[in-house]
Amino acid sequence: NAGVTQTPKFQVLKTGQSMTLQCAQDMNHEYMSWYRQDPGMGLRLIHYSVGAGITDQGEVPNGYNVSRSTTEDFPLRLLSAAPSQTSVYFCATSPRTGTPDTQYFGPGTRLTVL
Amino acid sequence: TQLLEQSPQFLSIQEGENLTVYCNSSSVFSSLQWYRQEPGEGPVLLVTVVTGGEVKKLKRLTFQFGDARKDSSLHITAAQPGDTGLYLCAGQFTGTASKLTFGTGTRLQVTL
Repeated sequence: NAGVTQTPKFQVLKTGQSMTLQCAQDMNHEYMSWYRQDPGMGLRLIHYSVGAGITDQGEVPNGYNVSRSTTEDFPLRLLSAAPSQTSVYFCATSPRTGTPDTQYFGPGTRLTVL
Repeated sequence: TQLLEQSPQFLSIQEGENLTVYCNSSSVFSSLQWYRQEPGEGPVLLVTVVTGGEVKKLKRLTFQFGDARKDSSLHITAAQPGDTGLYLCAGQFTGTASKLTFGTGTRLQVTL
């Protein structure tokens, strides 16, 4: 049982390049989300999904796309990377039981955009 | 817009000291959680509080949810170096199930 896995762990991009951050979970959780973490700002929600085929925007969605074709996977795409997207990205899942849920976080991807 | 403010932002103390971290909002939350994050890892849930005025204890950590469900505090008694990390509060609004709004974080360092 791996929990939540994220790849890659580190990535350096040049401005304008595209890439996909991968997130996978084996806990059969309905809810998945992507956050970015910047110094002094806590975690900010980028996009989230309440189940396969359903996605919605969070607090800071611009410049990012997501899709949810399966329960297990929730990739985050950067179409044209910008230096402002330099950050640490976390994927999280929760079972969405209707009561306050525990969010289970992956180990993060540290992205630098030059 | 950041809806949850934490204070202090940084805290450096010696082993054995007590400390309190505050999480404040102008919004009412249906529940509030506290997470701890260590370097290079994702946050890990410490506690969830749901009822206004609720107090929960986790060994040397005491968590309180404000009566109006707009604020919370985390008190650590006799801090140890193992308590070092980033402490994050996170609130859920009524009807949003798993969607969380995170606070700005408090970075705690406990030295010998």
